[in-house]
Amino acid sequence: NAGVTQTPKFRILKIGQSMTLQCAQDMNHNYMYWYRQDPGMGLKLIYYSVGAGITDKGEVPNGYNVSRSTTEDFPLRLELAAPSQTSVYFCASSYSKVSSYNEQFFGPGTRLTVL
Amino acid sequence: KNQVEQSPQSLIILEGKNCTLQCNYTVSPFSNLRWYKQDTGRGPVSLTIMTFSENTKSNGRYTATLDADTKQSSLHITASQLSDSASYICVVSRWGGNTPLVFGKGTRLSVIA
Repeated sequence: NAGVTQTPKFRILKIGQSMTLQCAQDMNHNYMYWYRQDPGMGLKLIYYSVGAGITDKGEVPNGYNVSRSTTEDFPLRLELAAPSQTSVYFCASSYSKVSSYNEQFFGPGTRLTVL
Repeated sequence: KNQVEQSPQSLIILEGKNCTLQCNYTVSPFSNLRWYKQDTGRGPVSLTIMTFSENTKSNGRYTATLDADTKQSSLHITASQLSDSASYICVVSRWGGNTPLVFGKGTRLSVIA
């Protein structure tokens, strides 16, 4: 199993540009998550999904959109990139609710810089 | 407010020595507590998960403790190795809500020869 994969690893955007961060998992997990990690800060939840066709906002959803058309894929869309979105983005997945003792698996991350 | 505080922020130890990292939390209602290891440029990897009824849990040279009464946890690393150099993140899960996981900022551990 490849686990959770993310592409690209690095990206530089200009202000106002848009892009999609890709995330895929091959563990047949129902739950998928997007986090951002700013320097010296804890991870913050952007969006999550409990299954195909179902998504919901996390702590910091503004400026982002997601979709979940399949169990495997959970792309994150930035429509109008802003410098405040410079961060490292992590995708994660779990079989079921993390509040129910389920392990969460993380991807390797995408480092995004907006100039 | 749901918070997870870790100490120290950073730590440097000699290879072969032991160390203990601390985590205090104010998250409720409490479900479970996790410790993750995050190597530079990589995603976090789970070390342990504990519920309120588990006082101690080990994973090789890593031993986590939990005191649910005082809302404190520690991660003890025995006989440190250079490969232990990483950030260690304490994460507390709560029941319900859209943000069930509350992440600490991590402790940056450097093991030197």
